[in-house]
Amino acid sequence: QQQVKQSPQSLIVQKGGISIINCAYENTAFDYFPWYQQFPGKGPALLIAIRPDVSEKKEGRFTISFNKSAKQFSLHIMDSQPGDSATYFCAASMRWTNNDMRFGAGTRLTVKP
Amino acid sequence: NAGVTQTPKFQVLKTGQSMTLQCAQDMNHNSMYWYRQDPGMGLRLIYYSASEGTTDKGEVPNGYNVSRLNKREFSLRLESAAPSQTSVYFCATAGPQTPEAFFGQGTRLTVV
Repeated sequence: QQQVKQSPQSLIVQKGGISIINCAYENTAFDYFPWYQQFPGKGPALLIAIRPDVSEKKEGRFTISFNKSAKQFSLHIMDSQPGDSATYFCAASMRWTNNDMRFGAGTRLTVKP
Repeated sequence: NAGVTQTPKFQVLKTGQSMTLQCAQDMNHNSMYWYRQDPGMGLRLIYYSASEGTTDKGEVPNGYNVSRLNKREFSLRLESAAPSQTSVYFCATAGPQTPEAFFGQGTRLTVV
């Protein structure tokens, strides 16, 4: 049973375009929703995270939108750059236990110059 | 400051062989985790350790054992490797005051 569903599996965007990746979760006890970025041959690294008491969080070109009633959240990458080409994972956990962080299947983003 | 260090980086095993994946962290974190990453499956939690001396099963623990040797080290053992255990394995840690997980660079394991 996949508790976090992520789409699309792969995404190709032109440089300067907007990349959008979507995730949906099932467990309403989750209260921490991070996005991780992974480059080939490297481990995932935290990109940005949100708690369910806010509907949007922005850090530079990266924005998380959160819809608690729909149990969905998404990552928007504005002005996408070739250096953003990586695999992106959404995740969900219970913040202060963090012992059961569930990851989405990942989205491979390619930004074409 | 190395963060989370995994060894080895690559390994090829024959079916039935055993091996131990090592993980060490210098971040003074209490929690440590082992994940496996497979194409189209994301990262799945194998085992975790909330503190020294405790370990618990995650989502996919079958075929694996773990040891939390001390606060710094958390090892993952495959007693009798199977081709289905071919994967990339990641160790991660998290501190008490932040839910962020820090990952090692991974071990690519192939079982033939």
